[in-house]
Amino acid sequence: ETGVTQTPRHLVMGMTNKKSLKCEQHLGHNAMYWYKQSAKKPLELMFVYSLEERVENNSVPSRFSPECPNSSHLFLHLHTLQPEDSALYLCASSLQIKETQYFGPGTRLLVL
Amino acid sequence: KNEVEQSPQNLTAQEGEFITINCSYSVGISALHWLQQHPGGGIVSLFMLSSGKKKHGRLIATINIQEKHSSLHITASHPRDSAVYICAVLLIQGAQKLVFGQGTRLTINP
Repeated sequence: ETGVTQTPRHLVMGMTNKKSLKCEQHLGHNAMYWYKQSAKKPLELMFVYSLEERVENNSVPSRFSPECPNSSHLFLHLHTLQPEDSALYLCASSLQIKETQYFGPGTRLLVL
Repeated sequence: KNEVEQSPQNLTAQEGEFITINCSYSVGISALHWLQQHPGGGIVSLFMLSSGKKKHGRLIATINIQEKHSSLHITASHPRDSAVYICAVLLIQGAQKLVFGQGTRLTINP
């Protein structure tokens, strides 16, 4: 257990659905991250939040919409996804940016 | 060509063997991470280093900034070390971005 939790752990959705992924940490960290891991590809950084402000948006399509209401919670809102968006979505947090990141277990997403 | 390259991509060894996984990068970095990912997806950060060498238990990580190269060593390997090992670099310029290697799948047979 790293202290970072993600829900749900598995999600199947149709292309017209709207769903949200949730990440939670109570480690007192100030930075939170969303990553995407597709099959046979390296991890890709999607978004970085520091003190609830987005500091990095790595050219992610607008069908992915992050939200950081406070330093302990991070959401990834999904709408009109494509089958190629099927992947493992990982959340991480760190005390500050550039420090060691602690990863959640991930949400395995399948888009039909 | 990826900014971070790992070798080998796959490695199978017998229990007890000394393991080396290599990572080369082509960009300026402020730090390098070694991560371990077990089946099912969970990722654990093993090391973050910017120079020299770090040791934790049977794991040793080294980095040579001039040569832009890092190695992860496992001594007295055990089947529970079987996992994907990922090298990631924190870019020195621009936003706070980790760039990942493609990972090395390690299998230790009993």
